Amino acid sequence: DAGITQSPRHKVTETGTPVTLRCHQTENHRYMYWYRQDPGHGLRLIHYSYGVKDTDKGEVSDGYSVSRSKTEDFLLTLESATSSQTSVYFCAITPQLKNTEAFFGQGTRLTVV
Amino acid sequence: GENVEQHPSTLSVQEGDSAVIKCTYSDSASNYFPWYKQELGKGPQLIIDIRSNVGEKKDQRIAVTLNKTAKHFSLHITETQPEDSAVYFCAASPKTSYDKVIFGPGTSLSVIP
Repeated sequence: DAGITQSPRHKVTETGTPVTLRCHQTENHRYMYWYRQDPGHGLRLIHYSYGVKDTDKGEVSDGYSVSRSKTEDFLLTLESATSSQTSVYFCAITPQLKNTEAFFGQGTRLTVV
Repeated sequence: GENVEQHPSTLSVQEGDSAVIKCTYSDSASNYFPWYKQELGKGPQLIIDIRSNVGEKKDQRIAVTLNKTAKHFSLHITETQPEDSAVYFCAASPKTSYDKVIFGPGTSLSVIP
């Protein structure tokens, strides 16, 4: 999986609690992305990062925040988890922004009860 | 914004037969169309991509065609094998950049031995 590690791989949490998912890469790639995958919706971009401390919103960013203090780590935080955020979350990296392949992690299955 | 539709949502074929997955997109400015394969429990992996200046691209048993006028593009898999069983996602981007890629909802392909 191109040197991408997502943690945890599975998590069950209660409604209203904060949750942080971690994406760690060993490729030293500049661009990182967080997606959520839901049946019937494919992959939807939550947030992305162009580099350290440089992040922007994707198409489904409400209720999520991100941080990138080091090149290798991109954190996704659900500030107050809701049942609608039950999903599988994928991190991806690309060496460039354009004309490049995206490499995905193995995913984190999050269940909010 | 861009919207990508994908059909069928599920597809079963006999081993050795061909499989075709079709996608349509809405933004005429889209010019990059990647296809991803997701095996069970794994992250998506790029299998082939096509840019708008090309009508068809082949890679062994996989081919992708693009009709920009009709805003259609398709994935063709010939001589299917059981290891082709997976979920396939098409995607489109107006700038060949991953911060703008929109994914289709996916097609679950089953190849029956």
